[in-house]
Amino acid sequence: KQEVTQIPAALSVPEGENLVLNCSFTDSAIYNLQWFRQDPGKGLTSLLLIQSSQREQTSGRLNASLDKSSGRSTLYIAASQPGDSATYLCAVKTDSWGKLQFGAGTQVVVTP
Amino acid sequence: EADIYQTPRYLVIGTGKKITLECSQTMGHDKMYWYQQDPGMELHLIHYSYGVNSTEKGDLSSESTVSRIRTEHFPLTLESARPSHTSQYLCASSEMYETQYFGPGTRLLVL
Repeated sequence: KQEVTQIPAALSVPEGENLVLNCSFTDSAIYNLQWFRQDPGKGLTSLLLIQSSQREQTSGRLNASLDKSSGRSTLYIAASQPGDSATYLCAVKTDSWGKLQFGAGTQVVVTP
Repeated sequence: EADIYQTPRYLVIGTGKKITLECSQTMGHDKMYWYQQDPGMELHLIHYSYGVNSTEKGDLSSESTVSRIRTEHFPLTLESARPSHTSQYLCASSEMYETQYFGPGTRLLVL
């Protein structure tokens, strides 16, 4: 059974620092990996989707890498801002239909 | 921004009541999903649908039921709510091979 782990569970950084969030998964047979953002009491917003054949994806200040063979993905957020404070979740697509297996998330606080 | 809606956003209800959580999307997506999320924990898939008249149970056992009579609508029903059903319920939809778009969620408290 696929297990997705995100470490650390919580992270606090001063504004301007780069953020590095880690995601690991136990079964490398994935279709894609997605990073989401969740604000308190709200739903999830998709940030980046990396197909299994890709090594990385970039969107603005966000960059996500994928090393499928080692079961790892890293989300980099450059020059963090207080508005980046949220919980970041990674999820792997485990079958061709579309089922996702989520990690528990990393709660990020960016202090001014 | 994806157009997927959930109502109510918050619900406090007594044990034994029947409740229906509504989820609608205007994107014409065939696939829809219901997830359950407890505070600080990962999302667990409880129901999904390939399209109209298709419903399947997810990885997490749930006493809830779902229906899919129209493409845009995927309601979740609890026939008799219990305190153990207290949680956040998130609805999502997607096209084939695409990312999932989430609604804002319903926070349910059963007293």
